Amino acid sequence: GAGVSQSPRYKVAKRGQDVALRCDPISGHVSLFWYQQALGQGPEFLTYFQNEAQLDKSGLPSDRFFAERPEGSVSTLKIQRTQQEDSAVYLCASSLRRDINASGANVLTFGAGSRLTVL
Amino acid sequence: SQQGEEDPQALSIQEGENATMNCSYKTSINNLQWYRQNSGRGLVHLILIRSNEREKHSGRLRVTLDTSKKSSSLLITASRAADTASYFCATDSGDNDMRFGAGTRLTVKP
Repeated sequence: GAGVSQSPRYKVAKRGQDVALRCDPISGHVSLFWYQQALGQGPEFLTYFQNEAQLDKSGLPSDRFFAERPEGSVSTLKIQRTQQEDSAVYLCASSLRRDINASGANVLTFGAGSRLTVL
Repeated sequence: SQQGEEDPQALSIQEGENATMNCSYKTSINNLQWYRQNSGRGLVHLILIRSNEREKHSGRLRVTLDTSKKSSSLLITASRAADTASYFCATDSGDNDMRFGAGTRLTVKP
């Protein structure tokens, strides 16, 4: 596609529910990132994929958060047993960069985000 | 945790004035990037400056980088109401994660 697509754009969940957020990156983009953005704050890194490999998940706040990218394109961020503090915008971004030694820098293209509200 | 810190947190200026935002970071970097975010939207890449560069221009944007002070500045000249947005710096340390600051919220009054 022309850009990074995220769905749903808005999600309201009751505390304790499981949610799944989807990201369709730009076709051919190797790298995929998930960020969490609280109101009035900058994006906080959650996890990074290179193709289907999850190379860094150090930013995931708890074991209730799980991300996958099984075929190296679409990615899903799953949050189990949602809590109120999970309320935020979840941003997905993709880039062409293949590895840390590539000459190209890591320029990210972001989706519009999925706004999660946990009641 | 966030790598960069922007200041000021908020900036309000009149159309036609210049806007300067600063970013400080903590670790060594390969490059530093500035992104813009309109309300309710994703971030959009504006400009990138590599660690061996000191200044870069793109249209009305001017970015400086001082690696000895671990700081960068973004200057928007002749601002327009449409420049109203949040601006974030992001550091690329080559370890495949990009760290963002808390952002500067710029308001340009017509």
